[in-house]
Amino acid sequence: DIVMTQSPDSLAVSLGERATINCKSSQSVLHSSNNKNYLAWYQHKPGQPPKLLIYWASTRKSGVPDRFSGSGSGTDFTLTISSLQAEDVAIYYCQQYYRTPLTFGGGTKVEIK
Amino acid sequence: EVQLVESGGGVVRPGGSLRLSCAASGFTFDDYGMSWVRQAPGKGLEWVSGINWNADTTRYADSVKGRFTISRDNAKHSLYLQMNSLRAEDTALYHCARNIAYCSNGVCYVDNNWFDPWGQGTQVTVSS
Repeated sequence: DIVMTQSPDSLAVSLGERATINCKSSQSVLHSSNNKNYLAWYQHKPGQPPKLLIYWASTRKSGVPDRFSGSGSGTDFTLTISSLQAEDVAIYYCQQYYRTPLTFGGGTKVEIK
Repeated sequence: EVQLVESGGGVVRPGGSLRLSCAASGFTFDDYGMSWVRQAPGKGLEWVSGINWNADTTRYADSVKGRFTISRDNAKHSLYLQMNSLRAEDTALYHCARNIAYCSNGVCYVDNNWFDPWGQGTQVTVSS
């Protein structure tokens, strides 16, 4: 199975400041056939279902604010919130879809400092 | 608006069974594969099972293989999860989710998908 490891487990960031979340896969999720990284990011707020933010490691879902961006390739990925807003308080998960079983990172809790 | 509404959760004794349902609306159900993803109390997300659009391909996490069965009824726009031989560690909030699969040249790859959207979930508690 591909193990996804996120860091940090939690972080507190001041409003308007940058938040950076890391995700590392135990093997590469870059597919040689299409040069795409099979990685997605989700936002999960209490009492709500998870919401898709980004797929293909860096493609933002339509309607997602552009302060959210994804980067990285191979085994190392980053979700960046460029200017943290109060509504961004949530747990963020990465997920690989390179192969089944589809696996998630352990989550990173983002709070306001 | 795309909606997924789960039902069927409850409290069951170890070794018991439950059948979860997910009613889909707002999209062409049989155009999409579907999945179940769970979250145990205080834990992260765990993919449980997936099924392709016409149910000829199913996948399971090792933790549920042989005990859970995923199915769908396209006429009823519904997804199901039959859960047998339940264990305490199956206690979780179970979400159904629509699979967004990678497709290329008319071929969609069943094992390569992310999830969008997710339902609110139905709680399953396994306890004596």
